[in-house]
Amino acid sequence: DQQVKQNSPSLSVQEGRISILNCDYTNSMFDYFLWYKKYPAEGPTFLISISSIKDKNEDGRFTVFLNKSAKHLSLHIVPSQPGDSAVYFCAASSTGTASKLTFGTGTRLQVTL
Amino acid sequence: NAGVTQTPKFRVLKTGQSMTLLCAQDMNHEYMYWYRQDPGMGLRLIHYSVGEGTTAKGEVPDGYNVSRLKKQNFLLGLESAAPSQTSVYFCASTGGRVEQYFGPGTRLTVT
Repeated sequence: DQQVKQNSPSLSVQEGRISILNCDYTNSMFDYFLWYKKYPAEGPTFLISISSIKDKNEDGRFTVFLNKSAKHLSLHIVPSQPGDSAVYFCAASSTGTASKLTFGTGTRLQVTL
Repeated sequence: NAGVTQTPKFRVLKTGQSMTLLCAQDMNHEYMYWYRQDPGMGLRLIHYSVGEGTTAKGEVPDGYNVSRLKKQNFLLGLESAAPSQTSVYFCASTGGRVEQYFGPGTRLTVT
């Protein structure tokens, strides 16, 4: 049972445009959500997070939106840069679970010139 | 400050062989985790530890054992490797915040 879903395996966006990566979850106990970025042959690196008490969190070019009623979150990257080309994983956690993360299957973003 | 390191980076095993993967962190983190990543599956939690001397099972623990004898180290063991354990293994740690810091990974092939 996939509790965190990323339904788009890949996304291609032109440099300078907006990239929107989507994530859906089924477990209503999740109260903290994260996005990780992964380059080939490297470990995932933390990008941005959001608590369930918020609906938006912004950090530079990266913004995460949370819609709790729809159990949906999205990552917006504006403007997209070639260095953003990577696999992006959505992850979720519940309070009191030793910070364990449940990951989605990832979306490969390619930013073209 | 090296963060999270993993040893080895690559390994090829024959079916039935055993091996131990080492994870070390120098951030004085209490919590440590082992994940495996397979194509199309994302990262799945194998085992985790909330402190020295403690371990617990994650989502996919079968065929693996772990030990946390020292706070900075978390070992993942395969007693009798199987081809289904061919994967990329990642270790992660955190000091109690939800954001985990990951190592560079170990690519394991079991033939």
